[in-house]
Amino acid sequence: NFMLTQPHSVSGSPGKTVTISCTRSSGSFASNLVQWYQLRPGSSPTTVIFENSHRPSGVPDRFSGSVDSSSLSASLTISGLKAEDEADYYCQSYDGSNQVFGGGTRLTVL
Amino acid sequence: QVQLIQSGGGVVEPGRSLRLSCAASGFDFSTYTMQWVRQAPGKGLEWVALIRWDGTHKFYADSVQGRFTVSRDNSKNTLFLQMSSLRPADTAVYFCARAPCGVDCPWGDHWGQGTLVTVSS
Repeated sequence: NFMLTQPHSVSGSPGKTVTISCTRSSGSFASNLVQWYQLRPGSSPTTVIFENSHRPSGVPDRFSGSVDSSSLSASLTISGLKAEDEADYYCQSYDGSNQVFGGGTRLTVL
Repeated sequence: QVQLIQSGGGVVEPGRSLRLSCAASGFDFSTYTMQWVRQAPGKGLEWVALIRWDGTHKFYADSVQGRFTVSRDNSKNTLFLQMSSLRPADTAVYFCARAPCGVDCPWGDHWGQGTLVTVSS
């Protein structure tokens, strides 16, 4: 099994840009793609990025995803921060049918 | 539009059983892999179980293997999670989700509203 490591928390002021990282302990995001989910208290997850960098319809283009050249680190970038972006964000990937979530990152909009 | 409506949560004593349901609409349920994910109080997301579109392949997290059974009724567009030998550590909000890529590349695109399961005496 592999692990996904995220920072516990990040913060930013309205209008600014924040980046949340996700590091994979083994394997590769090139062949086992990464997704990002937004989770607000009392709500169900919302998929904001799928397959490394694709954005579902309805998700603002302020959200973007990338994977670095090593394919071991992924990032979720949120630009033009809004108060409504305050939430927990989870990266998720897989190795065949084995699915792993990162520990989650609390985004605070100052 | 895609909808996943969950039911069946509640309070149950340790060692007892409970069944969760997830009624799907707005898409061809019989052609999609489905899964269950949970979030314990104050904790992160944890994948629980995955079932292929035809019900022939099922996969479980180690933490629930042998105690939980995922199933589906494609004629009724409904996904189930039968939970047995429940433990306090199973206390969580359970979410069903559609997995559009299949069992070899599982991730969720649409999610149910969540249902709380509390295991306590």
